Amino acid sequence: TQLLEQSPQFLSIQEGENLTVYCNSSSVFSSLQWYRQEPGEGPVLLVTVVTGGEVKKLKRLTFQFGDARKDSSLHITAAQPGDTGLYLCAGAEEDGNKLVFGAGTILRVKS
Amino acid sequence: GAVVSQHPSRVICKSGTSVKIECRSLDFQATTMFWYRQFPKQSLMLMATSNEGSKATYEQGVEKDKFLINHASLTLSTLTVTSAHPEDSSFYICSARKVFGTDDQPQHFGDGTRLSIL
Repeated sequence: TQLLEQSPQFLSIQEGENLTVYCNSSSVFSSLQWYRQEPGEGPVLLVTVVTGGEVKKLKRLTFQFGDARKDSSLHITAAQPGDTGLYLCAGAEEDGNKLVFGAGTILRVKS
Repeated sequence: GAVVSQHPSRVICKSGTSVKIECRSLDFQATTMFWYRQFPKQSLMLMATSNEGSKATYEQGVEKDKFLINHASLTLSTLTVTSAHPEDSSFYICSARKVFGTDDQPQHFGDGTRLSIL
């Protein structure tokens, strides 16, 4: 079974600061997805990255997929309280069926 | 809008009760659905993969007789927690994956079911 290490586990920052969340693995994934989850709700898909080296931007969020498709990062610029939540990375195994989830990053943005 | 509907959103019941949770894909067909369990402030743990028209595939350590999965149609999968006990209390989440040709389709998640066994 492939493993996906996500860091940091917890992040508490002030409004306006920047942050980066990392997901790393020794295995190759066919794609990688980032989700955001609020308490009591299911994860909501933010982005899917498929190609090695791919960079996608979603407003203040920048997602990067490593060249070797083994790692990914999420960078948030000028964080806002509304960004607070649990961020999850999930890699699709080579057969494309199951997702391997990272441990998650709990982000708290204080105003 | 939501593409995967999960019902009920919350269940509170006595120990020994069996509880059924439904997962529906609303505007697409899903030959494969997934059931996860999530503990507070932790990530999702895959319990089983539900395959339409065939038996579910369970992850290691998940009791198939305890967590019964039925995927009778392309839009509905059900998870039944049989004879639930307090240790089964958790947040259960389903997901479904659209199937279109060879495109890489992400999983879309339901809103989860909070199960509390007294």
